[in-house]
Amino acid sequence: RKEVEQDPGPFNVPEGATVAFNCTYSNSASQSFFWYRQDCRKEPKLLMSVYSSGNEDGRFTAQLNRASQYISLLIRDSKLSDSATYLCVVSEGDSWGKLQFGAGTQVVVTP
Amino acid sequence: DTEVTQTPKHLVMGMTNKKSLKCEQHMGHRAMYWYKQKAKKPPELMFVYSYEKLSINESVPSRFSPECPNSSLLNLHLHALQPEDSALYLCASSQVLTSPNEQFFGPGTRLTVL
Repeated sequence: RKEVEQDPGPFNVPEGATVAFNCTYSNSASQSFFWYRQDCRKEPKLLMSVYSSGNEDGRFTAQLNRASQYISLLIRDSKLSDSATYLCVVSEGDSWGKLQFGAGTQVVVTP
Repeated sequence: DTEVTQTPKHLVMGMTNKKSLKCEQHMGHRAMYWYKQKAKKPPELMFVYSYEKLSINESVPSRFSPECPNSSLLNLHLHALQPEDSALYLCASSQVLTSPNEQFFGPGTRLTVL
């Protein structure tokens, strides 16, 4: 079983619509959670950290459910520029330097 | 606008060559990382340095040799690589190793081994 699992998509989203997707993680001792976005042939860029209380950054909302071991990302009012692969990333509880990456969820925003 | 820089952006090398990848960060971070990323796959951790000391080596073949000359610089020395080593090599840094460990990536070096 993979440490971090994501639906690969693609999620095809009309411009202006809302899209949401989840990721599940297997290590219950995981301490830190992140969403990164990665554009084709570019580096991953930190989109947001995910806190226990949930957090929002503009059109992006992240939630953490420790009991069910999943995190979610919701994008409101999608823009064409939101088209990217979104990587769910989890920091292992026992080795802080190691991040576990999901395989990514591809989002395609269409005009 | 990244504060982690990497050189070169692209590198083509033969299997007998020796080359080096360079990474620099000016954020005062004390942890630095090398990752390898193949197409359509997530990054794979190779090495972790903490306070200029090697903290993690993910069983990387010895043809890859990391070096951390100071807290701002990280090198990856390459020797006798194989074609399957062709990939995007990403450097990252974080304040320290401990939580929350937000890592910031450089733009990467796209390596092709002929």
